[in-house]
Amino acid sequence: DIQMTQSPSSLSASVTDRVTITCRASQRISTHLNWYQQKPGKAPKLLIYSASTLQSGVSSRFSGSGSGTDFTLTISSLQPEDFATYWCQQSFSTPQTFGPGTKLDVK
Amino acid sequence: QVQLQESGPGLVEPSQTLSLTCTVSSGSITSANYYWSWIRQPAGKGLEWIGRIYSSGSTDYNPSLKSRVTISIDTSRNQFSLKLTSVTAADTAVYYCASATHYYSSYYFDYWGQGTLVTVSS
Repeated sequence: DIQMTQSPSSLSASVTDRVTITCRASQRISTHLNWYQQKPGKAPKLLIYSASTLQSGVSSRFSGSGSGTDFTLTISSLQPEDFATYWCQQSFSTPQTFGPGTKLDVK
Repeated sequence: QVQLQESGPGLVEPSQTLSLTCTVSSGSITSANYYWSWIRQPAGKGLEWIGRIYSSGSTDYNPSLKSRVTISIDTSRNQFSLKLTSVTAADTAVYYCASATHYYSSYYFDYWGQGTLVTVSS
């Protein structure tokens, strides 16, 4: 299985802050990397697919980059609704695996 | 847009079989480029992919669960189902059904059900 790691595991930030979350794969996965946002009691929501493609309807303040083993999710200017947990997921091979998550909360 | 809804018992006894169904609406389960998956999440923990099925009936399972998992599809009812046998407390989790779009080299979970909590307890 491909192991995914994320850093940091938790992050405190303020509205309007620029935030970056990192995801690393245990082997090269090209750009087969997706990002999700999850709020308490809700299902995950797709934000970014194929490392850098913004899902339809998702705010342009979210962006993704990377290829190979290292990827980043950036939120350009945090809004109140962005405080949530973020997950990366590799789709290079089965079993598809998720990172351990990054919890973003209010400073 | 596609909508998914999980249904099934919220409480299962240890050693028994967990059975869940996902009903797909506002879309056809036979649509090309869609895989239908089950994903679970223990309380306060991460996401674990259980397996997937295509409209043809072809399946892939997580090796960690493969010996206990069966995913099936009923195209006439626009539903797919999960069976997990010999459950223990470790199988207690919120279970999500999700659709995955597979388009060229992209593959991602774009639609999710709301999730259903299944507790394994006597």
